[in-house]
Amino acid sequence: KAGVTQTPRYLIKTRGQQVTLSCSPISGHRSVSWYQQTPGQGLQFLFEYFSETQRNKGNFPGRFSGRQFSNSRSEMNVSTLELGDSALYLCASSLGLQPANYTFGSGTRLTVV
Amino acid sequence: DQQVKQNSPSLSVQEGRISILNCDYTNSMFDYFLWYKKYPAEGPTFLISISSIKDKNEDGRFTVFLNKSAKHLSLHIVPSQPGDSAVYFCAASGNRGSTLGRLYFGRGTQLTVWP
Repeated sequence: KAGVTQTPRYLIKTRGQQVTLSCSPISGHRSVSWYQQTPGQGLQFLFEYFSETQRNKGNFPGRFSGRQFSNSRSEMNVSTLELGDSALYLCASSLGLQPANYTFGSGTRLTVV
Repeated sequence: DQQVKQNSPSLSVQEGRISILNCDYTNSMFDYFLWYKKYPAEGPTFLISISSIKDKNEDGRFTVFLNKSAKHLSLHIVPSQPGDSAVYFCAASGNRGSTLGRLYFGRGTQLTVWP
């Protein structure tokens, strides 16, 4: 059974650019969540999608957005990148039931220079 | 606003001894708690969980204790092994309002088990 796949694994971008990260969940999982991990803040919740609908959103500026496709794959986009956006971005999938038992991907390491 | 707190950024334990990792929370709506283990360059891996209707859950060498009145949980690893060296994250979720459909994480504790 394939795990959660995130692409790309590593990314370097320049301030002001935009970036799109991709996440393919475990087959059959309908919920995809995104988290940002930084050394100072730990894992911070970005948003959660279930059946193409955003069900919950964390406390991040509007530059951070996401979407989910009909096959449950998800993308997140960050526009007008800032140095502080450098982080490990983790995607997690679950069946979408409560409570949330996630399976995480290995993450995308984004570096903004 | 850190609703889940792990106050010890690091813990060092000798192989074979007990490791105790602690976690505190502030939100009374949390009713499900999890521990994740994370190695560098990998995503967190689920370790063990506990529902608020229980005060203890065991899985092999891992036991999680929940003290709801103190809003405190702990993870015990007995006996500790060098392969347990990793960052451990405590997380919580609820079934109402903003706690639904997401996990709140602590900042993690780096466990080092030395031979």
